[in-house]
Amino acid sequence: QQQVKQSPQSLIVQKGGISIINCAYENTAFDYFPWYQQFPGKGPALLIAIRPDVSEKKEGRFTISFNKSAKQFSLHIMDSQPGDSATYFCAASSSNDYKLSFGAGTTVTVRA
Amino acid sequence: SQTIHQWPATLVQPVGSPLSLECTVEGTSNPNLYWYRQAAGRGLQLLFYSVGIGQISSEVPQNLSASRPQDRQFILSSKKLLLSDSGFYLCAWSVGQSGYGYTFGSGTRLTVV
Repeated sequence: QQQVKQSPQSLIVQKGGISIINCAYENTAFDYFPWYQQFPGKGPALLIAIRPDVSEKKEGRFTISFNKSAKQFSLHIMDSQPGDSATYFCAASSSNDYKLSFGAGTTVTVRA
Repeated sequence: SQTIHQWPATLVQPVGSPLSLECTVEGTSNPNLYWYRQAAGRGLQLLFYSVGIGQISSEVPQNLSASRPQDRQFILSSKKLLLSDSGFYLCAWSVGQSGYGYTFGSGTRLTVV
């Protein structure tokens, strides 16, 4: 059973547009929510992460929005660029868990 | 700084042959180590993880096994490969109990023919 549900499975956005990926979880013990970016043939790399004591975190063009009451979090990619074309994974873990629970991934394609 | 090494990058093996993939971590002690498999265009499937030497937890029973002979070395093995073992194998490490700082290696593309 997947503990983190991610949508959409794929999306296409025009250069300069906004990409939005959503994730939802059930385990209220989760207290760490990272996003990973994976390019073809490479391992996933940590992109940005948030803890539930804040509702938003921004790093450059990437923003995580977190809604603790709804148990949802999302990644916004502003001013999307062709170089952002990749697969994005959301994840979650709790402070007493050795493992990250990953979403199924979203393939983002940015058209020039 | 910490680095993770995974090799080989690409491997083509016949059905029924053995497999040994190695992962080593530098720059940290007592890391948690993980093996993941990713089928083409699919998500990350956790195969095994280890929180210490000789301690292996299996997430999905299958044709693979893992061992941790040294603190910073994690090995994925199979005695006889199946076609279904093809995929992209990723090693990862972290420290502590929060999943914080989960870092992946560059992966091994395994094709069983």
